[in-house]
Parts: sequence; C-alpha cells; structure tokens
Amino acid sequence: DQQVKQNSPSLSVQEGRISILNCDYTNSMFDYFLWYKKYPAEGPTFLISISSIKDKNEDGRFTVFLNKSAKHLSLHIVPSQPGDSAVYFCAASLNSGYSTLTFGKGTMLLVSP
Amino acid sequence: DVKVTQSSRYLVKRTGEKVFLECVQDMDHENMFWYRQDPGLGLRLIYFSYDVKMKEKGDIPEGYSVSREKKERFSLILESASTNQTSMYLCASSFGGRPGYTFGSGTRLTVV
Repeated sequence: DQQVKQNSPSLSVQEGRISILNCDYTNSMFDYFLWYKKYPAEGPTFLISISSIKDKNEDGRFTVFLNKSAKHLSLHIVPSQPGDSAVYFCAASLNSGYSTLTFGKGTMLLVSP
Repeated sequence: DVKVTQSSRYLVKRTGEKVFLECVQDMDHENMFWYRQDPGLGLRLIYFSYDVKMKEKGDIPEGYSVSREKKERFSLILESASTNQTSMYLCASSFGGRPGYTFGSGTRLTVV
C-alpha cells in the first residue's frame, strides 16, 4: 500500500507563473516531510522540508504547506524558472531516531519559456 | 564539499553475473541506504544500514544483499543479475536520528 502519493505524474507551467506540486499521505504517524528535486542521470537533491509542528516553511522561491488534518502537503514554486524543470519527489519520515524515508512516485515539472 | 560517491555511473552486465555496486560517503554518517528508481514507481528502498556490519531489509530486498564492513562504505550485491534488475540505483546517507538524506549521483545498471 502506497503511503505517500503524488497523483500527478507531470505538470507543465509557463515561466514566471506559480508551480504547485501536491502530495498526500496515509500514515498519520509521519511527522517530517521533505521535497527532493531530481535531474535526469543525477541523484535527488534536498530542496525543502517541514516538521508537523508547522504548517508552512519558506525558502526563497520555494514554500511548502502542510495540512495535517487532510494529510496533504504542497510545494509552491514562485516564480517558476526553466531550470526548475525536473522530477520532484515528496518524502515522509516517522519521528523515530532511525527512520527511513518513504517516497512518492514523483511529479515531472516542465517549465517552458 | 560533502559527498556520496557511487563508483560507476553506467554499468552493463550479463544475466546471471554477480554484480557489486559500491558507495562511499565522506560525511561520517551513521546511516546508509540503497534505493532503486524506476519510471512510474518512484524510489523504492532495497536495504539500509544504521551501523557497521548491520543491515536491514527494505521494501524490495529479493535478489539483493549488502555489505557494510566500514562506516563509510556500503555495497549492494546482485547475487545473480536478472533483466528485471535493470534500473537506476541510488545510494544515500544520513546522520543518525535525522531524516534528511544526501544522495549519490546514481548508477544506471543494464542487465542484458
């Protein structure tokens, strides 16, 4: 059973507009969430994270929102740039000292000029 | 610059071969992980290790084994490679008790 779901395999956005990537989870014990960005033929790189004690975390053009009651988080990229074109993975962690990350299947974002 | 280094970017192996994928990290991380990435399936955990000589099965360990003789090195072994093990393999590491990973660049393995 998939515990972290990214239901949109792909998203196309014009440069300068907002990109919104969504992620849902089923395990209410998850309490730390991360977004990773992956270019082809490279490993994922950490983008931004949020703890369950917060509902928003912002870092430059990237903002992550968490709605615990809905078990939903989203990543907003404003403004979107062509260099943001990549696959974005949502990941979740249990609050134990030795917890692995559970990843979604990823959303491919294409930002066109 | 801290790094997770995977020894090969691309590998082509024959069915039935024993394959070793090597991963080394220079961050003194306690935890190390092996994932595979396949289109439409995302990242799936194969094995992980929280300490030297320690290993735990992930979600898809069948057909794989691992070795961690030193803290900085975590090897993934395909005992008898099969075509369904053609994939992108990603190694990652993290500090104990912290959820964020640092990933290597990946090894694209093709089994023919």
